[in-house]
Amino acid sequence: QQQVKQSPQSLIVQKGGISIINCAYENTAFDYFPWYQQFPGKGPALLIAIRPDVSEKKEGRFTISFNKSAKQFSLHIMDSQPGDSATYFCAASTGNQFYFGTGTSLTVIP
Amino acid sequence: DAGVIQSPRHEVTEMGQEVTLRCKPISGHDYLFWYRQTMMRGLELLIYFNNNVPIDDSGMPEDRFSAKMPNASFSTLKIQPSEPRDSAVYFCASSFGGTILYNEQFFGPGTRLTVL
Repeated sequence: QQQVKQSPQSLIVQKGGISIINCAYENTAFDYFPWYQQFPGKGPALLIAIRPDVSEKKEGRFTISFNKSAKQFSLHIMDSQPGDSATYFCAASTGNQFYFGTGTSLTVIP
Repeated sequence: DAGVIQSPRHEVTEMGQEVTLRCKPISGHDYLFWYRQTMMRGLELLIYFNNNVPIDDSGMPEDRFSAKMPNASFSTLKIQPSEPRDSAVYFCASSFGGTILYNEQFFGPGTRLTVL
């Protein structure tokens, strides 16, 4: 059973547009929600993370929106650039369990 | 620091053979993780260690898989015997996490395993 459900599987966005990736979870014990970015041939790297005590966290062009009641969180990439083309993974942790979503392949067209 | 080091980067073997993947975590990190990545199942956590002790191996698919961490700077993931369905990219990651999994995991470049 997939602990963290991620959508869409793939996403194509024009340069300058907004990319939105969504994740949902069921386990209310999760209390840490990171996003990882992976370029082809590389391992994932932490992009941004949020705790459930806040509804939004912004770092540069990247924003996590968190809806605790709906058990959903999303990554927004503003002013998307071709260099953002990568696979993005959401994840969730309880502190002693850690689960990744299935990933979203983002392509930003120049 | 050189980051997490994995070897080999690519491994091609035949069904039934033993495969050993190696990982050197970042110095000073006390958590080490092994992941498997496939198109069908995404990134799966296989096992993780804290201070060289296995904490959770519930993700290890079956008894053919085993992992060891004899010291703080070295870990192995062994598959014996290997099967074609084991073909995947295997990642090692490490973190300095205190007692909880809330800290950034640093991933190695991965080992692409192909079992013929």
